[in-house]
Amino acid sequence: QKEVEQNSGPLSVPEGAIASLNCTYSDRVSQSFFWYRQYSGKSPELIMSIYSNGDKEDGRFTAQLNKASQYVSLLIRDSQPSDSATYLCAVNRVKTSYDKVIFGPGTSLSVIP
Amino acid sequence: SAVISQKPSRDICQRGTSLTIQCQVDSQVTMMFWYRQQPGQSLTLIATANQGSEATYESGFVIDKFPISRPNLTFSTLTVSNMSPEDSSIYLCSGGQGVRETQYFGPGTRLLVL
Repeated sequence: QKEVEQNSGPLSVPEGAIASLNCTYSDRVSQSFFWYRQYSGKSPELIMSIYSNGDKEDGRFTAQLNKASQYVSLLIRDSQPSDSATYLCAVNRVKTSYDKVIFGPGTSLSVIP
Repeated sequence: SAVISQKPSRDICQRGTSLTIQCQVDSQVTMMFWYRQQPGQSLTLIATANQGSEATYESGFVIDKFPISRPNLTFSTLTVSNMSPEDSSIYLCSGGQGVRETQYFGPGTRLLVL
């Protein structure tokens, strides 16, 4: 089992629709969860971070975390063509000596005008 | 948030040579990391750059191939040694106040090895 898994996509949604991106992780003691957006040819940029169970909203973006199910998602409301990018889920993995951030494979999102 | 710069932004190198990539953060960060992103792939952590001591390497990456320095809290270098075409990739530097906190990424260095 991979440490962080995402649907590879591509995910296509029409403009104005809700895009739902999903991520599961294997380390039960993970504490921090991040969603990054990466445009082609660019470096990742942070969209949302979430640390507690439940929902966290920021504008059109909502992150949802369920630690019991080891599941984190990102909802994008009123999707725009400019949201077309690869979305990377990242999870901090806690080890005995040090912890680090593990990135999922990413989900490619295409918003169709 | 931290602003991170990298140089060079891109380079084309010959097989067998070495390239040193520099990463500069505009504010002090606790942790700095180096990642590799191969075409169409996600980010793979190469190592954690530790200030004043040897970097902590991930499985599959060794110091002889990817020596890393971090002389102070805001600067780090990654050297890709004895390059082969398989080293062609994007190399990304990131920094943050800890792995439980947000990491910010530099613009990346696009390396092509011929």
